[in-house]
Amino acid sequence: TQLLEQSPQFLSIQEGENLTVYCNSSSVFSSLQWYRQEPGEGPVLLVTVVTGGEVKKLKRLTFQFGDARKDSSLHITAAQPGDTGLYLCAGEVNGNQFYFGTGTSLTVIP
Amino acid sequence: DVKVTQSSRYLVKRTGEKVFLECVQDMDHENMFWYRQDPGLGLRLIYFSYDVKMKEKGDIPEGYSVSREKKERFSLILESASTNQTSMYLCASRKWGRGGGYTFGSGTRLTVV
Repeated sequence: TQLLEQSPQFLSIQEGENLTVYCNSSSVFSSLQWYRQEPGEGPVLLVTVVTGGEVKKLKRLTFQFGDARKDSSLHITAAQPGDTGLYLCAGEVNGNQFYFGTGTSLTVIP
Repeated sequence: DVKVTQSSRYLVKRTGEKVFLECVQDMDHENMFWYRQDPGLGLRLIYFSYDVKMKEKGDIPEGYSVSREKKERFSLILESASTNQTSMYLCASRKWGRGGGYTFGSGTRLTVV
C-alpha cells in the first residue's frame, strides 16, 4: 500500500489568513490530485497535477507538485468560510488507481 | 449534470444481516470503485471494476463482495454485516486514462448494530 501523509491533520484559522497543506510520500506518482469534501458529501476534484514542479492556480488556491513527484502542497490565500472542508490528496499508480491521503480538516472562522 | 448516485444516504442494519449498497453512474465510465472512509484512516479501497462482470480486490476486501452486471451499476455486498463495518461508504467512477479524476457519490453512512 502506498502511503500518503497529509499535514496538518486539523487546521482552524481566521477568515483572511493564508495557509498551506502538505501531502508527502516516499513513493513516486505519475500524477496527483486534490479533492475537497464537505460534510455529508463525497469528495470533489479540485485539480490534477502531472509534471514534476508543476504549479496550478484555481482562484485563491495554488497547487504545486514536487520536482520528484513524491509530494505536493496546497496553498490558500485569504481563506474564506466557504473553504471549510476536508482536503484530500490522491496519488496515481499504475495508470488507473489512486491512493488517498488521510486528509486535512480545515475550518475557517468568520 | 453528471453524477454518481448511491441508493441510500443512511442505513442501520443488524449484525449478521446481508447488506446491499447500490451505486449508479450516468457518465459511461468504464471504472467504478467502492471505498470506505473512517476518521484518521482516510479512504480505503474495497473493490474496483474495470468493466462489466470484472472485479478486482482493493486493500480491504475481506467481508465484502461486489457485482457489476451492467456498466452503469456497481453494487457492494456485505455478506454478514458486523459492527466493524460501520462506516461511510463512497462509490466513485472514473474514465480510463491518465490524470482523469474520480466522480464520487454522496456516500452511504452505514451503522451496524
